[in-house]
Amino acid sequence: DAKTTQPTSMDCAEGRAANLPCNHSTISGNEYVYWYRQIHSQGPQYIIHGLKNNETNEMASLIITEDRKSSTLILPHATLRDTAVYYCIVLSGNTPLVFGKGTRLSVIA
Amino acid sequence: DGGITQSPKYLFRKEGQNVTLSCEQNLNHDAMYWYRQDPGQGLRLIYYSQIVNDFQKGDIAEGYSVSREKKESFPLTVTSAQKNPTAFYLCASSIDRRQRDLYGYTFGSGTRLTVV
Repeated sequence: DAKTTQPTSMDCAEGRAANLPCNHSTISGNEYVYWYRQIHSQGPQYIIHGLKNNETNEMASLIITEDRKSSTLILPHATLRDTAVYYCIVLSGNTPLVFGKGTRLSVIA
Repeated sequence: DGGITQSPKYLFRKEGQNVTLSCEQNLNHDAMYWYRQDPGQGLRLIYYSQIVNDFQKGDIAEGYSVSREKKESFPLTVTSAQKNPTAFYLCASSIDRRQRDLYGYTFGSGTRLTVV
């Protein structure tokens, strides 16, 4: 079973920041939080990952709470092309990636 | 550029026929995975292989078979025993288990199988 809980869907206005929450209250100390997204009929695309510290790359920022029980993916200026299903996944080295149902983000013009 | 190639993108087969989906990677990754996705659903793990000549069943292995004779190849056979084979199939790979946490997974672009 997936170790994460995400809202089923969210809307965001084009050009605004999209903040996607994820709960992972049972995360272990050595488990990473990964975010992938899947645009319709394509393979999942890696976005960002982190362990304890906040992370930023050219696509997004990842904010992890101090207790590591939740995190937020931030797309700073959402575009129509960011419309996709976003998966928050806790990755443990000994087990394969387990996907939940993710959050369907709709960016609206 | 390195990556994962799945072929073909679309595949049609008659009911009762076995069909093999191809997955090739040139990333020198040790581990490879097969996932199945149904409309509106997340990905479910079928089989995975951590090393050549070894593989393990995932959550929904019934009706499927795999082989891992080469590091770069992990073909999936959908057999006639699979009751609902029509789905989107995704292949992925990752570096060895110890480093997987740091580098994550790379996915192919998928094969959409339709059984008529």
